[in-house]
Amino acid sequence: GQQVMQIPQYQHVQEGEDFTTYCNSSTTLSNIQWYKQRPGGHPVFLIQLVKSGEVKKQKRLTFQFGEAKKNSSLHITATQTTDVGTYFCAGPQTSYDKVIFGPGTSLSVIP
Amino acid sequence: DGGITQSPKYLFRKEGQNVTLSCEQNLNHDAMYWYRQDPGQGLRLIYYSQIVNDFQKGDIAEGYSVSREKKESFPLTVTSAQKNPTAFYLCASSIQTQGAQPQHFGDGTRLSIL
Repeated sequence: GQQVMQIPQYQHVQEGEDFTTYCNSSTTLSNIQWYKQRPGGHPVFLIQLVKSGEVKKQKRLTFQFGEAKKNSSLHITATQTTDVGTYFCAGPQTSYDKVIFGPGTSLSVIP
Repeated sequence: DGGITQSPKYLFRKEGQNVTLSCEQNLNHDAMYWYRQDPGQGLRLIYYSQIVNDFQKGDIAEGYSVSREKKESFPLTVTSAQKNPTAFYLCASSIQTQGAQPQHFGDGTRLSIL
């Protein structure tokens, strides 16, 4: 069946450093979604990418969808302590499928 | 204020006991979902429902049951058959499953064994 993987599993960075997490699917995705879960909280939707090669920015966050629509990345520039949490990617194989979540990347920011 | 309400926030289960977790949404969403999250782990789908009176098993449905009698409500019962129920349970909803719309999550219920 479809699998969605993320690397790294954990990342510790000094405040001000950049951070990138990568998401890879075993099958082509119709779209990719990114969520953030703060410690003790619930996942919150960040963004959805639909087109091959699409790049979207939200302030210091840059999201990219691969040309083959099988991978995606989230890059955070100059991390802040407010960026702490687990970042999940999620995507369906087709637009009629339920979404499959990746295992997440947990980000720690050292002040 | 629109959103998803899960209750209770914390729940304790005795051996052999069934417990029911509540999930209510006022977003007028068609689709609702239940996920289980273990410490340091991702989200695993238990059940989902695309429409009232219809639901499908997810990846880890054994030991759980659901109902969808009303659009706004999707309760989850953790039965005594679920031998390892201690986890964080998250309910979510989306406009519909088709088109894989973004999901909105409740605050979750933490279930522990007594």
